[in-house]
Amino acid sequence: LAKTTQPISMDSYEGQEVNITCSHNNIATNDYITWYQQFPSQGPRFIIQGYKTKVTNEVASLFIPADRKSSTLSLPRVSLSDTAVYYCLVGDMNNAGNMLTFGGGTRLMVKP
Amino acid sequence: GAVVSQHPSWVICKSGTSVKIECRSLDFQATTMFWYRQFPKQSLMLMATSNEGSKATYEQGVEKDKFLINHASLTLSTLTVTSAHPEDSSFYICSARDRGKGNNQPQHFGDGTRLSIL
Repeated sequence: LAKTTQPISMDSYEGQEVNITCSHNNIATNDYITWYQQFPSQGPRFIIQGYKTKVTNEVASLFIPADRKSSTLSLPRVSLSDTAVYYCLVGDMNNAGNMLTFGGGTRLMVKP
Repeated sequence: GAVVSQHPSWVICKSGTSVKIECRSLDFQATTMFWYRQFPKQSLMLMATSNEGSKATYEQGVEKDKFLINHASLTLSTLTVTSAHPEDSSFYICSARDRGKGNNQPQHFGDGTRLSIL
């Protein structure tokens, strides 16, 4: 399983764009990159998933360079409610039994 | 879609009792579900993989006789913490994938169960 490395914590202010980068140097050919958000005392919530280049949905964008050894989650115009822990995970989505190995995550604090 | 529900959300019980936690996929079928444990300020740690109709697969260091897993149907997996002790107090979370929508589907997580053993 590919190991991921993220910054332990980040601070931002309301209205700013936040970019959280994740390193996954030993990502495998069949691996996808998935980001989750977790609030205290809640289960992780799916944010976005991608394989290469750029993926965008209604809440975030995911940028993946050609070598796929890293990825960047971009949150546009964050609000106080975006304060949470963000996890980057790498795994084979084609494998029905593929479990997820969580790294340490990035604790994002959004300030007023 | 792809909702995973856990019950109960919070349980407090005396040391030595057994506690059952349910994980249901509400709008899809899941042949595989996963159970995680999370201690305060720490990341999620995979405990076991629950397989419908067969034995669960446990991660190294997780006692299978302590944490009993039953996956009797395509929409329900249960985790029973037997003879619970204070050190078993933790946040337990399950997850599942909706394979009915094809490959490349992400895992969806329940809202977790806070277990407190007195």
